[in-house]
Amino acid sequence: DAGVTQSPTHLIKTRGQQVTLRCSPKSGHDTVSWYQQALGQGPQFIFQYYEEEERQRGNFPDRFSGHQFPNYSSELNVNALLLGDSALYLCASSPLGTGYYEQYFGPGTRLTVT
Amino acid sequence: KQEVTQIPAALSVPEGENLVLNCSFTDSAIYNLQWFRQDPGKGLTSLLLIQSSQREQTSGRLNASLDKSSGRSTLYIAASQPGDSATYLCAVNNAGGTSYGKLTFGQGTILTVHP
Repeated sequence: DAGVTQSPTHLIKTRGQQVTLRCSPKSGHDTVSWYQQALGQGPQFIFQYYEEEERQRGNFPDRFSGHQFPNYSSELNVNALLLGDSALYLCASSPLGTGYYEQYFGPGTRLTVT
Repeated sequence: KQEVTQIPAALSVPEGENLVLNCSFTDSAIYNLQWFRQDPGKGLTSLLLIQSSQREQTSGRLNASLDKSSGRSTLYIAASQPGDSATYLCAVNNAGGTSYGKLTFGQGTILTVHP
C-alpha cells in the first residue's frame, strides 16, 4: 500500500516565477492538506481540500492556490515566487473527509527560490 | 488562536537514558494530538495519536500522555538509542469552527542520542 507521494523531490526556481507541486494521497484517503515548513520551524498550515474544494485556509496570501482532482490527488501552485517561499512543502492526507483522523505526511518537496 | 510550544528546543543524552519531551497548547478545545518524528530534510512520520478523550497512548518504547485541561502533553522515550536521534514535533487538531481538521505544530525538539 503506497503512502503519500509527492513530486518533485527538489525544485529550484527564480524570484517571480511560478511553481506547481503535486501530491497523491494514501490509498483510501480523500482529504489533502498542504503545509509549509521553513528551516528550523514547525510546519504551517496552508490549506485543505476535500471533494475538490478548498475547505479551509491558513494565513497565506492568494499567491498560494491549489486544486484537487476527482482521484483525490492535489496540486499546490505558488505564483510570483519570493525568496521567503523557500521551504519544505509537505502534503498530508486523511480519510473520511473530516481531517480529524490521523494525518499521514509525504516526504515533501524542497523548494529553493534564488 | 491555538499556539503550541515545545520544551526543550534541543536535548542531548547518552544512549540508554529515559527521557521526556514536553508540549503545551493554549486552546484546550482539541480533537486530538499527534506526535511526529522528522529526520533531517525528510517528511513527518506519525508516532502516536491521542484522542481528546484519552489520557495516554503507547507504542513500543514510546508513551504519550495528554492532560487536556492543563493544555499539556508529554512524550516519554524509554531506553533511548542513537537511532532515536531526530526532531520530534507535537501537533494539535482543533475541533469545530473554522479550525476543522487543521494541525497546529510546535517548533519541535531536536533530540541527539550519543553512543
